[in-house]
Amino acid sequence: DADVTQTPRNRITKTGKRIMLECSQTKGHDRMYWYRQDPGLGLRLIYYSFDVKDINKGEISDGYSVSRQAQAKFSLSLESAIPNQTALYFCATSDPGEDGELFFGEGSRLTVL
Amino acid sequence: LAKTTQPISMDSYEGQEVNITCSHNNIATNDYITWYQQFPSQGPRFIIQGYKTKVTNEVASLFIPADRKSSTLSLPRVSLSDTAVYYCLVGGVPGFQKLVFGTGTRLLVSP
Repeated sequence: DADVTQTPRNRITKTGKRIMLECSQTKGHDRMYWYRQDPGLGLRLIYYSFDVKDINKGEISDGYSVSRQAQAKFSLSLESAIPNQTALYFCATSDPGEDGELFFGEGSRLTVL
Repeated sequence: LAKTTQPISMDSYEGQEVNITCSHNNIATNDYITWYQQFPSQGPRFIIQGYKTKVTNEVASLFIPADRKSSTLSLPRVSLSDTAVYYCLVGGVPGFQKLVFGTGTRLLVSP
């Protein structure tokens, strides 16, 4: 089983719908991240959390919200999806004791029609 | 966060050594340099990290000159499976920074 699991792996939705992408991890890391990747581009940081009570905005947080339900779970929500939020979304975890190395999930491909 | 500049793409052949240079002119004193590899439709994977001089692991070497304004990822004897996008990231003390990815360098290895 993967250490960082994202659900769903693929989702097609319509403009205006609420969407939640979920991430769970078994690595025991405190730090979790959500990134977005558009075709041919690098990853952009949406939100990050350094522990259960900590939530921080990244480069492109507008239109997104997150919830850190537990150490192992970090969810990304699109309250009202729009077509330019069509992208590949990655969840990642890290731990200071492992030199901050990021461990990524397999990605969630979201298409907003 | 220090901005990084990398070549958009590079081509190589199997068995050759590949060197990818990253420029980070405004790197801060406590910034580390980290490289990640990404295959299509997969999350990036950590390759190597360093602060100064040279770091080597089983996959690659990282060369950092004394002024630390650039760094070079060296991949010895590449194979077709090394075709991927390589990202250079610069950030604070490992584990205490939020890492920001640029657009990376797309490496294509041909037979």
